[in-house]
Amino acid sequence: DGGITQSPKYLFRKEGQNVTLSCEQNLNHDAMYWYRQDPGQGLRLIYYSQIVNDFQKGDIAEGYSVSREKKESFPLTVTSAQKNPTAFYLCASSQPSSGKSYEQYFGPGTRLTVT
Amino acid sequence: GQQLNQSPQSMFIQEGEDVSMNCTSSSIFNTWLWYKQDPGEGPVLLIALYKAGELTSNGRLTAQFGITRKDSFLNISASIPSDVGIYFCAGRPSNDYKLSFGAGTTVTVRA
Repeated sequence: DGGITQSPKYLFRKEGQNVTLSCEQNLNHDAMYWYRQDPGQGLRLIYYSQIVNDFQKGDIAEGYSVSREKKESFPLTVTSAQKNPTAFYLCASSQPSSGKSYEQYFGPGTRLTVT
Repeated sequence: GQQLNQSPQSMFIQEGEDVSMNCTSSSIFNTWLWYKQDPGEGPVLLIALYKAGELTSNGRLTAQFGITRKDSFLNISASIPSDVGIYFCAGRPSNDYKLSFGAGTTVTVRA
């Protein structure tokens, strides 16, 4: 079955530590995205990548970093510079060259708690 | 991206009821998407709309792309308990390729 996996499901970290969230897809999609979800708010875009070895900042990139070394993988690092990192993080992918290029498919999410 | 105005913020349903929710934007959109999210899970794509006036169904769900291209509507007919969850709209403005999301409509079963 094709899909997106995110690991771990729950992650706990101490303040001041960097943490990396994993996102893997086997949909053969070129584009991948990271969103942050907070209660009562819409999803906010952190970073996105349209193609391997290229990525762009989204609306709330400060305190986050990404890499896109392989088509199927798009890890997100939450750095100690992120002031309010506790949130639910969602990874998504889409296929820009298809007729359904704007349909994004989401992983199950990682809930990060920083204390 | 811009925030979409999604309403209502929450609603209570009784089994068998028809329910409606909508999403509006201040600018013209070329694509509207509707997602459902269960607690602690990722959103699942329900319906995608690409043309103004388009009406698309997926089982008991029906969504419409507003004629003005600034709004979209989702209807759930004959609701059942598993319809509870958070429904999100998402749209793509005509001048961008990234999606903007609404804050969600929380659907709960009325006791």
